[in-house]
Amino acid sequence: GAVVSQHPSWVICKSGTSVKIECRSLDFQATTMFWYRQFPKQSLMLMATSNEGSKATYEQGVEKDKFLINHASLTLSTLTVTSAHPEDSSFYICSADRGQNNEQFFGPGTRLTVL
Amino acid sequence: TQLLEQSPQFLSIQEGENLTVYCNSSSVFSSLQWYRQEPGEGPVLLVTVVTGGEVKKLKRLTFQFGDARKDSSLHITAAQPGDTGLYLCAGFYGNKLVFGAGTILRVKS
Repeated sequence: GAVVSQHPSWVICKSGTSVKIECRSLDFQATTMFWYRQFPKQSLMLMATSNEGSKATYEQGVEKDKFLINHASLTLSTLTVTSAHPEDSSFYICSADRGQNNEQFFGPGTRLTVL
Repeated sequence: TQLLEQSPQFLSIQEGENLTVYCNSSSVFSSLQWYRQEPGEGPVLLVTVVTGGEVKKLKRLTFQFGDARKDSSLHITAAQPGDTGLYLCAGFYGNKLVFGAGTILRVKS
């Protein structure tokens, strides 16, 4: 199977600090990784698409300077929430596409709580 | 407005009852997917429907893709408490996977 992990699974931080979330494809190389945000009892909203070695493509309304994405290798993408504020509290989910059949494999998500 | 409209938004039923969740769009999709998500976890793919009119069964779950490939439905027979979760339909719009708003299903024992 295709497994995607995220770390950490949850994080609590103070307002103004930065938080890094890692997304790894464990048993396959991901041509593209995606970052989603999900508020309680709501659907997933795509934040950005990242390809290894190139700049991420952000969705409209998503601040690229606030949500820094680095896709350093074919198995790792990171999302850094800079100067986090309580309104950034959310469930962040990544997915990875191995380039077959447009199928995305989702990570378990990271719960971010900003105090 | 959402590209994929799901209904109902919330469903609370007793164990053993049947239910249907709908996913509708004014756009044609080459395929639609259904996911199930439990609290605090990522979504898990249940099925992908590709052909208009296609029906796929996964144990007590039956998925149907509309003839015009604009809509899909998920029917659960004899729901069980373990079916509780958020059900999401999704489809590729361009190269992006877009999700419906989701249906929260609660099955009471």
